[in-house]
Parts: sequence; structure tokens; C-alpha cells
Amino acid sequence: AQSVTQLDSHVSVSEGTPVLLRCNYSSSYSPSLFWYVQHPNKGLQLLLKYTSAATLVKGINGFEAEFKKSETSFHLTKPSAHMSDAAEYFCVVSRRSVSGKLIFGQGTTLQVKP
Amino acid sequence: DGGITQSPKYLFRKEGQNVTLSCEQNLNHDAMYWYRQDPGQGLRLIYYSQIVNDFQKGDIAEGYSVSREKKESFPLTVTSAQKNPTAFYLCASSGMGHSGGYEQYFGPGTRLTVT
Repeated sequence: AQSVTQLDSHVSVSEGTPVLLRCNYSSSYSPSLFWYVQHPNKGLQLLLKYTSAATLVKGINGFEAEFKKSETSFHLTKPSAHMSDAAEYFCVVSRRSVSGKLIFGQGTTLQVKP
Repeated sequence: DGGITQSPKYLFRKEGQNVTLSCEQNLNHDAMYWYRQDPGQGLRLIYYSQIVNDFQKGDIAEGYSVSREKKESFPLTVTSAQKNPTAFYLCASSGMGHSGGYEQYFGPGTRLTVT
């Protein structure tokens, strides 16, 4: 079985400071992992994905995530937060199977203070 | 522009009425998905389809129905049997490769309110 746990439901940072959103996963198989962002009343946008290539994955808008198999983690980071980063972030795991089904974490709300 | 469209953005219905949400994609993706999102929760899978004329139930299919007559279209009907239909509904599609695990692309969503 696969599962994903986002360790913080809410994170608050000041503009210009680093962002860390934590995600742990559980998978019996080699997983694909994703981070999505959702702004209020919008659909989800893919930030980045890990599919067994490089363990440090760079995404859009300056975000990156590191796949650590030993820690079963896939934390999302950004060196300097911008006001426009305020949104809901979802960590997602997918088993590499025909169905392509995704399993979503509960989400982390990122607040960016001026 | 390639993408996924959902219409309408906001939908209001009276209790006891069926309502159909539209989802269209021009990405030439084989797989399409419907999710439901409630406040403060992640996404839950309602139905998915990997190929035309075939679809499977997700985790919360009761009270919903779908069809997949065309590759580009995957409409969702919320029936009167769905006990708590008020939610934000998201459609997604994926270009399924042989090994799966491909990312999904999402539409802008439809917010359904039933009173």
C-alpha cells in the first residue's frame, strides 16, 4: 500500500526567508513523487516530479525537492519566499502502474508575511 | 493552447436534481480522472478512465456516474443519490506511458453548491 503524510498543515514564513514543506511517503514499490500547488479556487499546478532520475529535483518558480529513500522523505524547499507563493501545496505519490492513480497528502497551507 | 477546460466554474442546484459537470481536454491524453475536494482536505478520486468506452470506480464513486464516449471528454454526473454533493470538483488527464506514474494535469475546477 502507498501513503503520503504532509507533516505540517500550516506553515508561515516571512517574505524573503526560506521555505520548507515536509512530506514523508510510504511505498512498497519504487514510487513517483510530485508536488502540486493550488491557489484559492483554482486547479492544481505541477511544481516538480521525481521519477527515479536525479534525487534533487528542480521545479518551477525556484522550488526544489530532494528524494531521500533512507528517510522516505520528499521535502519541498525554496531559498526565498515570495508573496505569490502563498497557496496550498500537495505532496503526491504514484505507483508506477497502468492505472496511474495518485495518492494525495492532506495539503500544507503556506502563508507568506510581508 | 493545450489544456483542460471545465465548465461551468460555479454551479448551483436544488437538492434532488441531477447535474452534469463538463471536462474537455485537447492534450491527446488517454487517461482522465475526476476528483472531489472538500475544505481542508486533499483530493479524493471519484472515477477514472484509461481509454475510451471504459472507466473504473475510484474511492468515492457512490452517487456519481461518468461516461467516456470520446477521448477528449469525460463528463461527471452528480446524482440525487449523492448525500453531500456540495464540493469543489476537479478533472485531470494524464498521458499514460507503459510504466505509468505520469503526472496529471488539472482543469480549473467547478464549484458545485446544492441547497
